[in-house]
Parts: sequence; structure tokens; C-alpha cells
Amino acid sequence: GENVEQHPSTLSVQEGDSAVIKCTYSDSASNYFPWYKQELGKRPQLIIDIRSNVGEKKDQRIAVTLNKTAKHFSLHITETQPEDSAVYFCAASMGGYGGATNKLIFGTGTLLAVQP
Amino acid sequence: DTGVSQNPRHKITKRGQNVTFRCDPISEHNRLYWYRQTLGQGPEFLTYFQNEAQLEKSRLLSDRFSAERPKGSFSTLEIQRTEQGDSAMYLCASSPSGAAGGTFGSGTRLTVV
Repeated sequence: GENVEQHPSTLSVQEGDSAVIKCTYSDSASNYFPWYKQELGKRPQLIIDIRSNVGEKKDQRIAVTLNKTAKHFSLHITETQPEDSAVYFCAASMGGYGGATNKLIFGTGTLLAVQP
Repeated sequence: DTGVSQNPRHKITKRGQNVTFRCDPISEHNRLYWYRQTLGQGPEFLTYFQNEAQLEKSRLLSDRFSAERPKGSFSTLEIQRTEQGDSAMYLCASSPSGAAGGTFGSGTRLTVV
């Protein structure tokens, strides 16, 4: 089955710096890669996602890149702010087609701390 | 609030007792998922419903766990004879047909003492 690895487990940056979180997946059939942000005690919230037919997607300060050949994808946050501090999870899924379950396989998370 | 609703938010139970959690998905979503999240880990898939049909169950879902979605709307997750290892956050997510991912509820935090 699918396995998703995520690095680093913790990341501390200064406010205004960029943060990069990387994930690798094992199943080449995976075609949907979302990123979730989870604040302490709260639900995971989707912040950005990318499908396998796209190499990069950007939404304001957040961008995701995908390398299908290498089976890895990354989250990039620019101009970080203290409110970006949270745990970030990557996930992979065989999403949206036919009878696929579309279940998400999550990485182990990255605790991002943005120092003011 | 039109998001995914889960009840109760917290549940403390004694080992060996049965517990039941409820999830109300976004009304137009026919796909419903249960996940379990332990401290410091990402959510792990437990089971998936499309309408009222339970189409996939993880090997994590032992025979003490059962989930239902009788009318294709709300879902319940029951754990029988709870064990301390069942302590976790139980998350529900829903999505429209054909969509990937899902919108998560706030979860039910189970503590087995």
C-alpha cells in the first residue's frame, strides 16, 4: 500500500523567512496530493492541493511542487508569519476516478514554529 | 454551521466499556471517512462509506470496531470493550462524489482509563 514520508519533523524559522516541507510517496498510482494545516486541538484544514497532471500550484504565500518521476512533493511558504505556526501534514490519494476510495494516506507531520 | 459536525467532542471511558461517536457530514457529501489520530502522528484511515455502503475498512479496524451509515447521512463509530490503546482523536471527513480529500470535522477525543 501507499506510504508517505515527511521531513523535517520540526522546523523553526524567523518571521519573514521561507519554509519548505518535503514529502515522498511510494505508490505511483497516487494522483492527488493535499496539504493540511492543523493548529493545536483543532481539525486539519486543507490549505492547498495538487493533482498529478500539474507540476506546481500557487496560492498567495503558499505553493506546492510535484515531481512525479521522483515521487516527491513539497510545500513552500514564503514571508512566514507567526500565525503560520502549526503542524502541517502532507497526504497522498488515488483520488477522484472510478471506484477509487480516495482515502488519504498522511505523512507524520511537521511542526512549524515561526519566531517573531 | 454547514461543516462536518462530530459528537461528543470529548469522551472519557473506563477500559472495557463500549463507546459510540457520531459524525454529521456536509449535507450534499455522499462520501464519508473515519480516521484515527494519535499524538504526534498524522491521521490514519479507518473506513469509508459511499452513501450507506461501507466500501473499505482498514486492517487497523479490529472486530471491536464497527461503523454504520444507515441512511447515507450521519455515521456512527462504535468501539466495544475499549482498551487503553484506543485512546486517540477520531476524525470524520466528508467529500462529494468523485472528489478527493475531504473536509474534516473537529474530532472526538477518546481517553480510555
